[in-house]
Amino acid sequence: EIVMTQSPATLSVSPGERATLSCRASQSLSNLAWYQQKPGQAPRLLIYGASTRATGIPARFSGSGSGTEFTLTISSLQSEDFAVYYCQQYHNWPLYTFGQGTKLEIK
Amino acid sequence: EVQLLESGGGLVQPEGSLRLSCAASGFTFSNYGMGWVRQAPGKGLEWVSAILSSGDSTYHADSVKGRFTVSRDNSKNTLYLQMNSLRAEDTAVYYCAKDPLLGLDNWGQGTLVTVSS
Repeated sequence: EIVMTQSPATLSVSPGERATLSCRASQSLSNLAWYQQKPGQAPRLLIYGASTRATGIPARFSGSGSGTEFTLTISSLQSEDFAVYYCQQYHNWPLYTFGQGTKLEIK
Repeated sequence: EVQLLESGGGLVQPEGSLRLSCAASGFTFSNYGMGWVRQAPGKGLEWVSAILSSGDSTYHADSVKGRFTVSRDNSKNTLYLQMNSLRAEDTAVYYCAKDPLLGLDNWGQGTLVTVSS
């Protein structure tokens, strides 16, 4: 099983600032996605293929990385961006695994 | 617009059974793999099951293998999850999701399953 580890568990950032979230895989992979989840809502796909934005996702969201280290960057935080973010590997389809999540909160 | 609508959740006793359904619309259901993901209260996401577009191949997490069965009816645009021998640790919101092999790109709103006596 591929284990996904996200850091930090909680990130406090002020609106308008940049947020950088990390995800590490236990083995090298090529297929990684990022999701956003707000309270009481289903997750929403943000990024797939490590760096491709899903349909309708604003350009302030960007993904990068390869191998075992991946990053989600939100360039200028808006109020609606404060949520929990999960990375997920789909390299080992369909045995998907998710990271434990990073909660992005308002500083 | 893609829509996925889960139903069938509720309160069930330990060792009981439940069948979840996910009605799909807004896309050609028979062309896509589908999956189930669950989220225990206050916890993260856990992949549960997946099924190929044709329904010929199914996959389940070790935590539910032998107890849960995913299936689909492409004539009814519906995905199912048959859950048997339910345990307290199966308590969660269950989401169905569309799987184009590029991440899970559309999710239902979820249905809550509570296993308790």
